[in-house]
Amino acid sequence: DTGVSQDPRHKITKRGQNVTFRCDPISEHNRLYWYRQTLGQGPEFLTYFQNEAQLEKSRLLSDRFSAERPKGSFSTLEIQRTEQGDSAMYLCASSTTGQAGNEQFFGPGTRLTVL
Amino acid sequence: AQTVTQSQPEMSVQEAETVTLSCTYDTSENNYYLFWYKQPPSRQMILVIRQEAYKQQNATENRFSVNFQKAAKSFSLKISDSQLGDTAMYFCAFIHLPAGTALIFGKGTTLSVSS
Repeated sequence: DTGVSQDPRHKITKRGQNVTFRCDPISEHNRLYWYRQTLGQGPEFLTYFQNEAQLEKSRLLSDRFSAERPKGSFSTLEIQRTEQGDSAMYLCASSTTGQAGNEQFFGPGTRLTVL
Repeated sequence: AQTVTQSQPEMSVQEAETVTLSCTYDTSENNYYLFWYKQPPSRQMILVIRQEAYKQQNATENRFSVNFQKAAKSFSLKISDSQLGDTAMYFCAFIHLPAGTALIFGKGTTLSVSS
C-alpha cells in the first residue's frame, strides 16, 4: 500500500508534555497538508508545504505548534506544552503539484488525547 | 466568510434505497472546486466525487451523483442503491482556484445503511 501513512496512530499524553507526529506522504506528491479534526467537526486546515517550504499557516497554528518537512519528503508536527484543548485527530494529506482541484489523499490520522 | 453547512447531522437508509445528503456553502470567489469525502468508521478519508464550479454538468461516479446549483450555492450528494459499505461520515468541502490550498469542510453527515 503506497498511501499516506501517519505515526503513531494514537498518542496519550499528560498536559504540559511535548508530542511529535510523523506523516509520510505518497512518494511523488509535492504538496503536504496538516488538518485537525475535533469530535463532531470537519477537518480544519493547519498548515501546507510545497516540497520543503512551509507556504501557509492557519491562525489555528499557535506558537506551541511547529511543523517541518525536511528534504521535502516526510513531515513532522510538534506540539509543545500540550493542553487539553489540543485533544483531536491530526490528519495529514498530500497531493500532486498542479491546480488546487487536485485530490488531497488523506492518511489515517493520529488521535491525540491530552489528560 | 468561507463556510460549508451540512444541515443533516445524521441520516439512515436501508440497503438498495436512494439517499440525498445536503450541502450549502458560502464564498465570494467565482472559481472553486467542490468535493464530497467519505470517512468510514476508524478508516481514512477518501474522495467520493468532485465538481468544478465552472462546469454546469453535474458530476457522477457510479452510484454517486451530485446536484450542483451554483447560484444557490448548493451541492447535494445522491447515493443510489445504497450498500452497507456506504456507512460512513460524509463531508462536503470546497477549495478556491487557482491557488487554493486549504480545503474548507462542513461538519459532516453520519450516514447509516442498514439491511
